[in-house]
Amino acid sequence: EVQLVESGGDLVPPGGSLRLSCVASGFTFSDNHMDWVRQAPGKGLEWVGRVRNKAASHTTEYVASVKGRFTISRDDSKNSMFLQMSSLKTEDTAVYYCIKPSHGAVRKFDHWGQGTQVTVSS
Amino acid sequence: DTQLTQSPSFLSASIGDRVTITCRASQGINNYLIWYQQKPGKAPKVLIHAASTLQSGVPSRFSGSGSGTEFTLTISSLQPEDFATYYCQQDNSYPLTFGGGTKVEIK
Repeated sequence: EVQLVESGGDLVPPGGSLRLSCVASGFTFSDNHMDWVRQAPGKGLEWVGRVRNKAASHTTEYVASVKGRFTISRDDSKNSMFLQMSSLKTEDTAVYYCIKPSHGAVRKFDHWGQGTQVTVSS
Repeated sequence: DTQLTQSPSFLSASIGDRVTITCRASQGINNYLIWYQQKPGKAPKVLIHAASTLQSGVPSRFSGSGSGTEFTLTISSLQPEDFATYYCQQDNSYPLTFGGGTKVEIK
């Protein structure tokens, strides 16, 4: 069974930094791309970014609103993905979900973690 | 960026009603269109992928159709457990994007 467990969410002041973690189990982590999606309170879903698998050299993609401030990385030896967030803004307040997208030609976010809350406020 | 426009944003319906939600893309997305259902406090779950393929375990009252830039999610007979928020998402090009959501509530 696929399991994704996020941690690291907290209350941080504007301009601060935070590192989220996602520990995965139940599948071959190194074979899979991994994503982050966030959801602000009462709002819709926003894709944050992706770190590709080892075969794709762990390259990354980001949404424009976080580019240059957020960095996604992974440690395949620990089945873990990370989201390093810096220069945080109040609009970054959201639940952050770790996602395992489908592997191969079929494209969908078929496994989600429970989410971790990030609140940016003074 | 590919913008996805969902309509309506809010829908009030009764048990047994046929419900249709539309998702329009600002450019062609090669049918890489996914529909999700989200209930309060929970992560979204996949209903439909590749525009019209029913996800395993999802009831057959859910169906997806469309191509090019216009896509539709249909619930043939609304059930109590279907009251939720529905999102479309495109996986054709970066940045991956979601529609704004459609909240389905009980009339």
